Amino acid sequence: GAVVSQHPSWVICKSGTSVKIECRSLDFQATTMFWYRQFPKQSLMLMATSNEGSKATYEQGVEKDKFLINHASLTLSTLTVTSAHPEDSSFYICSAGTRTGAIPTNEKLFFGSGTQLSVL
Amino acid sequence: DAKTTQPTSMDCAEGRAANLPCNHSTISGNEYVYWYRQIHSQGPQYIIHGLKNNETNEMASLIITEDRKSSTLILPHATLRDTAVYYCIVRGGSNYKLTFGKGTLLTVNP
Repeated sequence: GAVVSQHPSWVICKSGTSVKIECRSLDFQATTMFWYRQFPKQSLMLMATSNEGSKATYEQGVEKDKFLINHASLTLSTLTVTSAHPEDSSFYICSAGTRTGAIPTNEKLFFGSGTQLSVL
Repeated sequence: DAKTTQPTSMDCAEGRAANLPCNHSTISGNEYVYWYRQIHSQGPQYIIHGLKNNETNEMASLIITEDRKSSTLILPHATLRDTAVYYCIVRGGSNYKLTFGKGTLLTVNP
């Protein structure tokens, strides 16, 4: 299947610093990427949807100024956690698909391996 | 606003078939049923998806009832490495997001 590469796998940072997570589709062009967050023993929670060349759409309750998403190319989306605090410590996962237009196609979405963020 | 219902957990003996049920009684005509699984501390892995016909691939089979209100994921010969949380997700039409519920923790026992 298609490969989605996510980097870094884990990161430890000090409170107040910013952390950037990259998500790349290696063998296909991803018009849409999704960012999720997962706390221990909980399910994945969708944070935002990013479309190449346009602003991301954030889910209710997700601060767009804190979680900056950039989808500048068809193979790369980045999530920047700004001014990270301990409560932002979580497992962040990206997903990429090839949907075009407003109506989803019969497509598979592929996931990165995740980034474990620990904020001290 | 979960659209699917799955058992919280299931057990299966190694080498036997694992049958994971999912109820999606409010599914719309243009929505697909997707199955993913997540092994601890990894990203979810795509397994299979279908609209109304039964589907089979190298990983599993998906059986969808005629009224499409429920489905079953079948792992024909479960191995210890199949121990994971399995998510049944309905997606399609205007619902383009992949929204995860709580899933089923499948434990394959030796």
